[in-house]
Amino acid sequence: EDQVTQSPEALRLQEGESSSLNCSYTVSGLRGLFWYRQDPGKGPEFLFTLYSAGEEKEKERLKATLTKKESFLHITAPKPEDSATYLCAGLTGGGNKLTFGTGTQLKVEL
Amino acid sequence: NAGVMQNPRHLVRRRGQEARLRCSPMKGHSHVYWYRQLPEEGLKFMVYLQKENIIDESGMPKERFSAEFPKEGPSILRIQQVVRGDSAAYFCASSPQPLSTEAFFGQGTRLTVV
Repeated sequence: EDQVTQSPEALRLQEGESSSLNCSYTVSGLRGLFWYRQDPGKGPEFLFTLYSAGEEKEKERLKATLTKKESFLHITAPKPEDSATYLCAGLTGGGNKLTFGTGTQLKVEL
Repeated sequence: NAGVMQNPRHLVRRRGQEARLRCSPMKGHSHVYWYRQLPEEGLKFMVYLQKENIIDESGMPKERFSAEFPKEGPSILRIQQVVRGDSAAYFCASSPQPLSTEAFFGQGTRLTVV
C-alpha cells in the first residue's frame, strides 16, 4: 500500500532558526512529490513539485529536495508568518491521485 | 483569475439529510479531484473527474456518495443520508491536465452532521 510519512508531527522554532522537515514515502511508481502549505481553516496552498531524485526547488525561505526514498523541506531563517502545517504528497495511481502525509505543524516564534 | 471556488464554505446537515457540495475549477482547468480531510487525519483521495466523465472513483465510499462534473456548471459531490461520520472538510482541486504538474485546491467545505 502506498504510504507517505512526515516527521516531526510538530516543530517549534525561534525566528531565524533554520530547520528541515522530512517526508519519507513508499509509493509504487511515484510520478511526483508535492509540497503544500495549509493554514488553519484554509485549503492547501501549492508550493513545489519534484519529479526525480536529486532535484531541488526554491521559493523564498523554502527549499525542497528529493531522494529516492524521501524529500526534505528546508526552511532558512524562518519568520512567524511561515507558521503553518506543511503537507507532502506522492503522485500515484497512474498519475490520478495524491497520497498525503499527515503533515508537520510548524510554529515560528519571535 | 479566480482560484478554485467551493461553496458553501460551511454546511450543517441533520442525520439522514442530503449534502451537496459544489466546486468550480480554475479557468481553463478541466480536471477536478475531490479529497476528504477528517479531524487529525491527512487528506484522502475520493474521486477524479473530467468533464462529463468519472475517471477514478477508487476512494469513494461504495454507498451514499456520488460525484459529477457536467458539461456546464460546477462539479458536485453529493452525500445522501448523511451520518455523523461524514463530518469532515471536503476539498476540491483542479489542474489543467492530468496531475503531473501543479494542482490547486479550493478553500474547502466544512460539513457538520448533527
